[in-house]
Amino acid sequence: DAMVIQNPRYQVTQFGKPVTLSCSQTLNHNVMYWYQQKSSQAPKLLFHYYDKDFNNEADTPDNFQSRRPNTSFCFLDIRSPGLGDAAMYLCATSIWERGYRGCEQYFGPGTRLTVT
Amino acid sequence: GQQLNQSPQSMFIQEGEDVSMNCTSSSIFNTWLWYKQDPGEGPVLLIALYKAGELTSNGRLTAQFGITRKDSFLNISASIPSDVGIYFCAGQLESNYQLIWGAGTKLIIKP
Repeated sequence: DAMVIQNPRYQVTQFGKPVTLSCSQTLNHNVMYWYQQKSSQAPKLLFHYYDKDFNNEADTPDNFQSRRPNTSFCFLDIRSPGLGDAAMYLCATSIWERGYRGCEQYFGPGTRLTVT
Repeated sequence: GQQLNQSPQSMFIQEGEDVSMNCTSSSIFNTWLWYKQDPGEGPVLLIALYKAGELTSNGRLTAQFGITRKDSFLNISASIPSDVGIYFCAGQLESNYQLIWGAGTKLIIKP
């Protein structure tokens, strides 16, 4: 089945120690998103890639970076995690092209990040 | 920024009851999506709506795209224990493929 995969599902890191979360997809979608979600709140968009073009949200801290080496993979790097960065991180994908009416986003299972 | 008002924030219901929740906005949307999120998991797409007035069902779930394109509702009929979770609406503006999210409706079934 086509899907969005996130690894690891649970990640524990120390305060200030860099951490990388990964996402892969078999849907061949051209847009990939990273969201942060805290305690049952709505997902908050951090940034997204439209093909190879990186789009950062204005309020995303510089501490958060992303890489998309190819269509299938996308990484979230947190350079110096703080206690406030503990959250669920969700990866999502969608198709966007001229003439396509939909904008459905398909989510992975998420990575729960704990900062000690 | 753009906002979606989702209500109610939470619902306590008896098994077998029907459930209704809605999202409203002052902006016009191109698409409305409804997601369900179980604890510790990512949101799962339930229903997508593309046209004003569109009524779409997925099993016991029914959702409608409001005529004004500024609102949408989701109904769940004859609720069962596995319906518990958080339901999110999300809308797409005409100008952008990104989604605007509601704050979620937490569904809890009374024991």
